[in-house]
Amino acid sequence: GAGVSQTPSNKVTEKGKYVELRCDPISGHTALYWYRQSLGQGPEFLIYFQGTGAADDSGLPNDRFFAVRPEGSVSTLKIQRTERGDSAMYLCASSYDRGSEAFFGQGTRLTVV
Amino acid sequence: GIQVEQSPPDLILQEGANSTLRCNFSDSVNNLQWFHQNPWGQLINLFYIPSGTKQNGRLSATTVATERYSLLYISSSQTTDSGVYFCAVDPISSGSARQLTFGSGTQLTVLP
Repeated sequence: GAGVSQTPSNKVTEKGKYVELRCDPISGHTALYWYRQSLGQGPEFLIYFQGTGAADDSGLPNDRFFAVRPEGSVSTLKIQRTERGDSAMYLCASSYDRGSEAFFGQGTRLTVV
Repeated sequence: GIQVEQSPPDLILQEGANSTLRCNFSDSVNNLQWFHQNPWGQLINLFYIPSGTKQNGRLSATTVATERYSLLYISSSQTTDSGVYFCAVDPISSGSARQLTFGSGTQLTVLP
């Protein structure tokens, strides 16, 4: 597609439930990043994929968070046993290669009630 | 890790006014990007500017990498310029991921 696409735009879930957030990067971009943005703050890095592999997951807050990119294109961020503190905007970015200009999707606003 | 400081944190302008937003960073960087976050949360790319000066319409940006700062100039501001402006850097020390580290942003409000 023309830009990075994220679905859903909004997700409301109950505490303890499992959620999946999807990111479809710009075609041909090999690098894919997930960020999380809390209210009033800048986005913070979660995980980086180069191709199919998670090259750097150092930003994931705990083992309830996991992400995959099985075919080197679409990525899914998975959150198990959601907590109210997980409520945030989740942003996906892609770039042609690591370190080149990053382009962001419109984000998924997750609310855990 | 690297510190990215943006100033001012909040800015209110009358339509037609000019403004300068500043981004200071504490370590050497590979590159720097400026974004505008609209009210719906979308981050819009403004500039990819590791060094030098670039212009795009009413916006221009200058990065002086050796002095570790970047400036974003907005001229003849319009109400549609309202939103949060973020500076983000790719530090030399970021490792293989080359992920961006963001500042806290400048909240700009342009009044009609």
